[in-house]
Amino acid sequence: NAGVMQNPRHLVRRRGQEARLRCSPMKGHSHVYWYRQLPEEGLKFMVYLQKENIIDESGMPKERFSAEFPKEGPSILRIQQVVRGDSAAYFCASSPSGTALLKLFFGSGTQLSVL
Amino acid sequence: EDQVTQSPEALRLQEGESSSLNCSYTVSGLRGLFWYRQDPGKGPEFLFTLYSAGEEKEKERLKATLTKKESFLHITAPKPEDSATYLCAVQAIDTDKLIFGTGTRLQVFP
Repeated sequence: NAGVMQNPRHLVRRRGQEARLRCSPMKGHSHVYWYRQLPEEGLKFMVYLQKENIIDESGMPKERFSAEFPKEGPSILRIQQVVRGDSAAYFCASSPSGTALLKLFFGSGTQLSVL
Repeated sequence: EDQVTQSPEALRLQEGESSSLNCSYTVSGLRGLFWYRQDPGKGPEFLFTLYSAGEEKEKERLKATLTKKESFLHITAPKPEDSATYLCAVQAIDTDKLIFGTGTRLQVFP
């Protein structure tokens, strides 16, 4: 039973390029969360999605960042025109539906480095 | 605003030297408090969920406890393989996200 899969593990982009981070949730999970982690800082919530719906994007910057979770395929976190401050580890987590209490299962993350 | 504060930021222990990690929280209404372990280069791994004050849970050398304002993660006779960052998170009532603290980086030396 595969866990949460994220790819790529490492992504290097130059300023101004686009970054696309992918996340496949655990089998049977229909809820996906994206978190960002900077060195010496905690995990910061970005966005919560269900299939084809964004439920809560209160933690995501209004510009350059977008997320989707299509009916088929992985969830995508897209960062346009990256800047050095976007360098961080981005973690995806999934949870099963139908439970009010969250129990998140995390992937191994994508380390984004912006040159 | 919901908030989680963990202390200490870092903790160095000798193998076998028991200690406790603290997680203080401010939340409008607590649905659950979570402890995770994170190893370098990996995602957080779930350890415990606590729901109400007075609750305790144990797993091997770890025991988590909860009061109305804080949680403790007690580590009894730690081993070097317990070295990791321990994260605390809360879920408030009527929300669908976890708020994390910045973690305690634990190092256990043989």
